[in-house]
Amino acid sequence: QSALTQPASVSGSPGQSITISCTATSGDVGAYNYVSWYQQDPAKAPKLMISDVSNRPSGVSNRFSGSKSGNTASLTISGLQTEDEADYYCASYTSSSTWVFGGGTKLTVL
Amino acid sequence: QLQLQESGPGLVKPSETLSLTCTVSGGSISSSTYYWGWIRQPPGKGLEWIGTIYYSGNTYYNPSLKTRVTISVDTSKNQFSLKLSSLTAADTAVYYCATHRGDGDLPRWFDPWGQGTLVTVSA
Repeated sequence: QSALTQPASVSGSPGQSITISCTATSGDVGAYNYVSWYQQDPAKAPKLMISDVSNRPSGVSNRFSGSKSGNTASLTISGLQTEDEADYYCASYTSSSTWVFGGGTKLTVL
Repeated sequence: QLQLQESGPGLVKPSETLSLTCTVSGGSISSSTYYWGWIRQPPGKGLEWIGTIYYSGNTYYNPSLKTRVTISVDTSKNQFSLKLSSLTAADTAVYYCATHRGDGDLPRWFDPWGQGTLVTVSA
């Protein structure tokens, strides 16, 4: 199965911007605009933050944005807030008609 | 607004088969708009997609689990189910059901999710 690689951890101070990358080991991310991002607080179910690379669902803060370049998708959080501290996962459709999640990134707000 | 709720045993013995059910409320499982998925998360680890089903019965499975997984749908009960056989300790995880959705005929994101249910595989 294809894999999506994320950094294990990122950190930032309140008010700063951070970016979490999601890189495909094959051409899956680059071939489709079907990358989504999820926020997971401890002991909670994941919450959709971004769909189709850059679409933000209703109710999600506009401080969250998504983009893609080649085989790498990115989630950017601007104006970092303490409440943003959580785990973040990317996911993508693959050419094998399957779906795959990244390994997850722990965001620490210093 | 769709809501999903997992149900099933919290403890299962090794080599046995896990059976979980996801009950959908706030919408019809037979809607052409949605697919339905299962995702799991071992303690302290990341998310793993298990499989997805359409109300017609079309299924998609994670290749690494395909030989052990069966996902089915019961439109009369507005539920879909997961069966995972030949369990080992490595199958211990929180199991989530989720609506797998997207515009058109291909599901592309998971939203909403159930609250998850912890399944422990132990003798």
